[in-house]
Amino acid sequence: DIQMTQSPSSLSASFGDRVTITCQASQDIMHYINWYQQKPGRAPKLLIYDASDLEKGVPSRFSGSGSGTDFTFTINNLQSEDLGTYYCQQYHHLPLTFGGGTKVEIK
Amino acid sequence: EVQLLESGGDLQQPGGSLRLSCAASGFPFSTFAMSWVRQAPGKGLEWVASVNGNGQHTYYAESVRGRFSISRDNSKNTLTLQMSRLRPEDTAVYYCAKDPTKNPRPFRFDSWGQGTLVTVSS
Repeated sequence: DIQMTQSPSSLSASFGDRVTITCQASQDIMHYINWYQQKPGRAPKLLIYDASDLEKGVPSRFSGSGSGTDFTFTINNLQSEDLGTYYCQQYHHLPLTFGGGTKVEIK
Repeated sequence: EVQLLESGGDLQQPGGSLRLSCAASGFPFSTFAMSWVRQAPGKGLEWVASVNGNGQHTYYAESVRGRFSISRDNSKNTLTLQMSRLRPEDTAVYYCAKDPTKNPRPFRFDSWGQGTLVTVSS
């Protein structure tokens, strides 16, 4: 199975900050990675697919980059509604696997 | 508007069985692969199983293979997860999720249900 190592596990940032989350795959997954946001008590929401494509309706302050084994997810100009937990997910090989999550808190 | 509504979650004893359903609407159901993803209390996301659009190809996580069975009824726009030989570690919120890519196997999940809670405990 492909392991997805996500870091940090949690972070606290202020309104307007830039937040960066990384995900490292245990093997080359090309660009086959997606990013989700999960707010407390809610289902996950797809934000970024294929490493860098923005899902329709998602604000442009969210972005993703990377290929191979190292990936980055960025929130520019952090807003209060961005609090929640973020997950990466690879689909290069089954089983689909998720990162452990990054909990984003607002200072 | 895509809607996915899960049902069937309950408290079940170890070794027991449970059947989860997901009623889908707002999109051509038979076109897209569908999946179950679960989340244990306070934990991260775990992919469980997927089925392609016509129901002929199924895919399972190793942790549930041989115990769970995913299926779909395209005439009723319904996805099902039959769970047997339940274990305490199967305790989780189970989400039904849609893949938008028209590929036979899952790539990503662009729509999710609200989830249904399965608790396995004596």
